[in-house]
Amino acid sequence: DAKTTQPPSMDCAEGRAANLPCNHSTISGNEYVYWYRQIHSQGPQYIIHGLKNNETNEMASLIITEDRKSSTLILPHATLRDTAVYYCIVRVHSSNTGKLIFGQGTTLQVKP
Amino acid sequence: DAMVIQNPRYQVTQFGKPVTLSCSQTLNHNVMYWYQQKSSQAPKLLFHYYDKDFNNEADTPDNFQSRRPNTSFCFLDIRSPGLGDAAMYLCATSNPLGGGDEQFFGPGTRLTVL
Repeated sequence: DAKTTQPPSMDCAEGRAANLPCNHSTISGNEYVYWYRQIHSQGPQYIIHGLKNNETNEMASLIITEDRKSSTLILPHATLRDTAVYYCIVRVHSSNTGKLIFGQGTTLQVKP
Repeated sequence: DAMVIQNPRYQVTQFGKPVTLSCSQTLNHNVMYWYQQKSSQAPKLLFHYYDKDFNNEADTPDNFQSRRPNTSFCFLDIRSPGLGDAAMYLCATSNPLGGGDEQFFGPGTRLTVL
């Protein structure tokens, strides 16, 4: 699985959009980009994933560059409850099992 | 609500005393995972079950074992806990045959070794 690089920490004002970048320059053609987050003292939570097209769900949007070497997770209106560690993970979307290799992630602090 | 349940949430054991952590799920997912997360680190996969097939990660110490008696339950056994085994232990499930690839995590069990 390709490795990812994320900034260790970011701040965001409550109500503003939070844009979390991720670099994955060695991504392969069959690898997807996944985002999970982990709120303090809780288990990780799946957010979104995508291959090459932009994706949106009720939690966030995922923007993947055309060359697929980087992506951005967007939380459109961050709240204090979005304060968490956000993990960008690249892996093959498989019909078999798929282990998650977590990097260090980005600690997002949403401030009032 | 369907969910992944871990009991207990906090476990204290003594150095060298065997301990078992449990995980149950109401999602009817066929894959179950155990991750270890040490303080200020990212979760690290120990092993997983695909149905009854056990898959160990190459660098998981022999001190860690697992059992899955049925679809709903999975146990993590630490035979002789050391101080370095103090961590949060996370259970997760997934249902690749159902088309979904995301993993659903429980709240974790925080293990303290005295």
